Amino acid sequence: GAVVSQHPSWVICKSGTSVKIECRSLDFQATTMFWYRQFPKQSLMLMATSNEGSKATYEQGVEKDKFLINHASLTLSTLTVTSAHPEDSSFYICSARSVGRDTEAFFGQGTRLTVV
Amino acid sequence: GQNIDQPTEMTATEGAIVQINCTYQTSGFNGLFWYQQHAGEAPTFLSYNVLDGLEEKGRFSSFLSRSKGYSYLLLKELQMKDSASYLCAVMDSNYQLIWGAGTKLIIKP
Repeated sequence: GAVVSQHPSWVICKSGTSVKIECRSLDFQATTMFWYRQFPKQSLMLMATSNEGSKATYEQGVEKDKFLINHASLTLSTLTVTSAHPEDSSFYICSARSVGRDTEAFFGQGTRLTVV
Repeated sequence: GQNIDQPTEMTATEGAIVQINCTYQTSGFNGLFWYQQHAGEAPTFLSYNVLDGLEEKGRFSSFLSRSKGYSYLLLKELQMKDSASYLCAVMDSNYQLIWGAGTKLIIKP
């Protein structure tokens, strides 16, 4: 299957700092990338959908100024958590959908963010 | 509203068979997915059903009945490594994935 690489796999940062998470599709072009957040023992919560070259579409309740998403190319999307707080600590997962394939979504490995 | 229901937790014995059910109510339907997720890891794709019937892939099979809004994932010859959460997700008319809460499967020796 197609490969999506997410980096870093884990990060610890201080309150008030910003953290950038990268999501790359390694062997296919991703027209659409999705960013999810997952709390322990809960299902995936979609945060935003981004299409290459356009602004991301955020789900209700997700602050776009806090969670900055950039999808500059067909192989790279980034999520920046700005001015992080302890309540932002979570597991963040990206997934990518390839051109012409509206079915299967491929997931990155996930990033565990801990804000102290 | 859109809703995906699956049991919270199931327990089975190594070597046995287990069936994980999923019922859904969504605005439109463009397929149903099953994913496996081990603790602390991202989900991995298991199966995709868009037509009624059974899809078999090794020890795992997935069934879909669109008229009943129902699917199940069947795991045979259970192994300890199958202990994980199993997520049911439906793609709606906007090609968005609607996720179930996941079923935690515990395998006992």
